[in-house]
Amino acid sequence: ETGVTQTPRHLVMGMTNKKSLKCEQHLGHNAMYWYKQSAKKPLELMFVYSLEERVENNSVPSRFSPECPNSSHLFLHLHTLQPEDSALYLCASSQDIGGFNIQYFGAGTRLSVL
Amino acid sequence: DQQVKQNSPSLSVQEGRISILNCDYTNSMFDYFLWYKKYPAEGPTFLISISSIKDKNEDGRFTVFLNKSAKHLSLHIVPSQPGDSAVYFCAPTYSGAGSYQLTFGKGTKLSVIP
Repeated sequence: ETGVTQTPRHLVMGMTNKKSLKCEQHLGHNAMYWYKQSAKKPLELMFVYSLEERVENNSVPSRFSPECPNSSHLFLHLHTLQPEDSALYLCASSQDIGGFNIQYFGAGTRLSVL
Repeated sequence: DQQVKQNSPSLSVQEGRISILNCDYTNSMFDYFLWYKKYPAEGPTFLISISSIKDKNEDGRFTVFLNKSAKHLSLHIVPSQPGDSAVYFCAPTYSGAGSYQLTFGKGTKLSVIP
C-alpha cells in the first residue's frame, strides 16, 4: 500500500456539481499539501496544512475549499468549478513543514470539468 | 515569471549511456534542491537532493551537481536503464524556518531506448 492514497483517481463533474477529493496518508506525517498540475504547466501549490492548521492558501479561488479533520486526512471540496479547473490534483505529505522535509505524493485525481 | 526552468522538455538516450538533465533557477534564496521522478499514472517520487553547501551528491547511478554561481544544477544518470524512462522534475526550495514551498520546473521527459 502506498504511503499517500488519493480517491477518486478520476472525476468528471459539471460546473454546478459539488464533489470532494480525499487524501489519506499512512506515514505519520504532520504536514499535508494540495497541488494542481495543469497541462504544460509546473505543479502549483494550492494549500498547506501543518498539524491540521492551514498555513498557506496560495491565492486559490474560493470554489476550492480544503478541510483537514486530522493529520492523516485531507479533503478538497469543489463547487461551481470552471472548465479551466480541469487538471491533475496531487496531495502530498511530509514529516513537518520546512525545506528539508521530503514531500511524498499520492497518485493524484484527474479532474475533468464539463 | 518562472523561477525554475527545465529547458529540455524531452530527452532520448540509449540504454547504458549517460543521461544529463538540466535545471536553471533564478531565486538566490534557494538553498536546497530536490529532484523528483514521475511515472505515468503515479505521483512524483523523491529521487535525490543536494544542499547549497555542496556541489555534488551521489546516490548509486544518480549524481546531482550544483553550480551556485551559475544558478544551475544537473542530474546525471549513468548507466541509463529503460526503467529510468519517466518525467524528471527539479524542485528547489529554501530551508528557513516556516518554509515549505517546493517550486517545480515543468519537467523533462526522459526516454531510455533499449
